[in-house]
Amino acid sequence: DAMVIQNPRYQVTQFGKPVTLSCSQTLNHNVMYWYQQKSSQAPKLLFHYYDKDFNNEADTPDNFQSRRPNTSFCFLDIRSPGLGDAAMYLCATSRGGGPNTDTQYFGPGTRLTVL
Amino acid sequence: KQEVTQIPAALSVPEGENLVLNCSFTDSAIYNLQWFRQDPGKGLTSLLLIQSSQREQTSGRLNASLDKSSGRSTLYIAASQPGDSATYLCALKGYQLIWGAGTKLIIKP
Repeated sequence: DAMVIQNPRYQVTQFGKPVTLSCSQTLNHNVMYWYQQKSSQAPKLLFHYYDKDFNNEADTPDNFQSRRPNTSFCFLDIRSPGLGDAAMYLCATSRGGGPNTDTQYFGPGTRLTVL
Repeated sequence: KQEVTQIPAALSVPEGENLVLNCSFTDSAIYNLQWFRQDPGKGLTSLLLIQSSQREQTSGRLNASLDKSSGRSTLYIAASQPGDSATYLCALKGYQLIWGAGTKLIIKP
C-alpha cells in the first residue's frame, strides 16, 4: 500500500546530541511537511518542501533543519536538542495540486525523548 | 488571523450514542476543512474533507458539515463504539493548514 513511513517510531537522545528523523513516501507526492506536536496541542508546522523548494515557517527555531535529497525522502535534523524539543514529530505529504483539493497524508510519527 | 477552536476539549459518552463534535473558526475565507483522528501516541488519519463550496461530507457513520457564514463545522458520529475513542482534530486550509487543539473523545462500553 502507498503510504508515509517514519523511522524510527521512538527516538531517545541526550541533551545537545544531534538527532535525525526520517520520512519516506510511496505516494510520489510533490509536497512533504514536518510538524511538531506537543502533548494535547495541535500540530505546529515547522517547514515544508514543494519539490526541492524549501519553505521555512517564520517561528521555526534555527536548531531545526531539513533535507530532501529526492522525491521519496525527507529528513528532520535537530542540531542541539533541548528538553523543550521533546515531542511527536509528524511527517505529511500532499500532491500539491492546489489548496482546494490538497489533502495531507500523515505518517505515524516519531516520538522524541530528550534526556 | 485565522483562529480555530474546538469545544469541548474532552467528551465522554456511553457506547451507542450519537454525538457531535464542534469546530469554530474566525475567518470564512477558507479553501477546505478537514477532520482528522489521532489515536494516543500515533499519527493523524484523515477522516473527511469538505471543500469550501460544499455543505457536508459523509463516510460510513461519520458526517461532517460546514457552515462558513457562521464559522462552524460539526462532525457527527452515529451509533458510537469504543473503537471511536480518540482525539479528533479539525484543520482549515487557507494558505496553510490551521489546526484546532482537538477534542478527546472517550466512548464508554
